[in-house]
Amino acid sequence: EPEVTQTPSHQVTQMGQEVILRCVPISNHLYFYWYRQILGQKVEFLVSFYNNEISEKSEIFDDQFSVERPDGSNFTLKIRSTKLEDSAMYFCASQGGGHPYEQYFGPGTRLTVT
Amino acid sequence: GENVEQHPSTLSVQEGDSAVIKCTYSDSASNYFPWYKQELGKRPQLIIDIRSNVGEKKDQRIAVTLNKTAKHFSLHITETQPEDSAVYFCAALTRGFQKLVFGTGTRLLVSP
Repeated sequence: EPEVTQTPSHQVTQMGQEVILRCVPISNHLYFYWYRQILGQKVEFLVSFYNNEISEKSEIFDDQFSVERPDGSNFTLKIRSTKLEDSAMYFCASQGGGHPYEQYFGPGTRLTVT
Repeated sequence: GENVEQHPSTLSVQEGDSAVIKCTYSDSASNYFPWYKQELGKRPQLIIDIRSNVGEKKDQRIAVTLNKTAKHFSLHITETQPEDSAVYFCAALTRGFQKLVFGTGTRLLVSP
């Protein structure tokens, strides 16, 4: 069964540094998402992406965040200047194909900002 | 904005008992309601979902009910087992597939 993949599984970075989190969605899906989960808290929506543009973003997704689909397979989340409070698990998800509603989550990238 | 409330935050049951988790949502345009199970350090795993044109759905020991008028939906787990212990999240999909709005989670502990 096809799966969403994410790299790296764990990223440690210093405050102020840029990070890029990578995702490979399921190949025939059309909708892509980033969510984050601070340890012990709920999953929070960051951004949705469809037809090569952002379709919705949350108030968390400020000017420090950007997303890109640089080719036909990758979907990236960039944080330009990381803050301590960006430490969280970041999940990519994709939706489409034969199951129009279900979102398939990747395994996540744990981002630790020191 | 859209909001999903979930109760209880923790639930402890004995093996073999039933467990019920309840959620309410605010966006009347939501039409898809999944439930996820999350084990520590892992991704949310879809366990069951329901669409707005259905009132109830069952899959073995797990069932979900939806009351669109009241904007409530619930997860029912029967004959609980220790391996059901995890955090469970409800969610609602907003209009036009824009995003999933998650509840705050329920930590279920099933004691042998």
